[in-house]
Amino acid sequence: EPEVTQTPSHQVTQMGQEVILRCVPISNHLYFYWYRQILGQKVEFLVSFYNNEISEKSEIFDDQFSVERPDGSNFTLKIRSTKLEDSAMYFCASSSRRGSYSPLHFGNGTRLTVT
Amino acid sequence: DAKTTQPNSMESNEEEPVHLPCNHSTISGTDYIHWYRQLPSQGPEYVIHGLTSNVNNRMASLAIAEDRKSSTLILHRATLRDAAVYYCIRAKETSGSRLTFGEGTQLTVNP
Repeated sequence: EPEVTQTPSHQVTQMGQEVILRCVPISNHLYFYWYRQILGQKVEFLVSFYNNEISEKSEIFDDQFSVERPDGSNFTLKIRSTKLEDSAMYFCASSSRRGSYSPLHFGNGTRLTVT
Repeated sequence: DAKTTQPNSMESNEEEPVHLPCNHSTISGTDYIHWYRQLPSQGPEYVIHGLTSNVNNRMASLAIAEDRKSSTLILHRATLRDAAVYYCIRAKETSGSRLTFGEGTQLTVNP
């Protein structure tokens, strides 16, 4: 069964450094998402992306965050200057269609640790 | 508000059915009900979704009340691998595919 893959599985970085989290969505999917989960807290929506532009973003997704689909297969989340509070699991997801009837398929996440 | 209400935790025995309840009393006519689960150290995993009718797939069944104010996820025979946090999510048509996760129900399966 096709799946969403994320790399790396664990990323450690120092405060103020830039990080790029990478995702390969399911190949025929057109809608892409990033969610995050701070340890012990809920899964939170960050951003959705379609047709090479952001469809929707949450209040968490400020100017420090950006997303890109640099080629036909990868989808990336960049954090420009990491803060301690950015430490979390970051999950990429994709779906074949947009809408409340369309299920999301999630990757197993990248654990980001900011020291 | 897209809030749903679920019990914090439930326990089941292996090979027995499990009924996980969810209340969504303010649901509107176009909101779908989605269930996801999250196994330890993994991302959320889609389980099932529905609008009005009961739904079945290889993982589970979803029973939706006639008034749509509640639903029940049914695992027909629980296995140890079903131990996870189960999330009932009201997917609002106006929110596109944006999902709002709550605390979910922590399911423990006893051998």
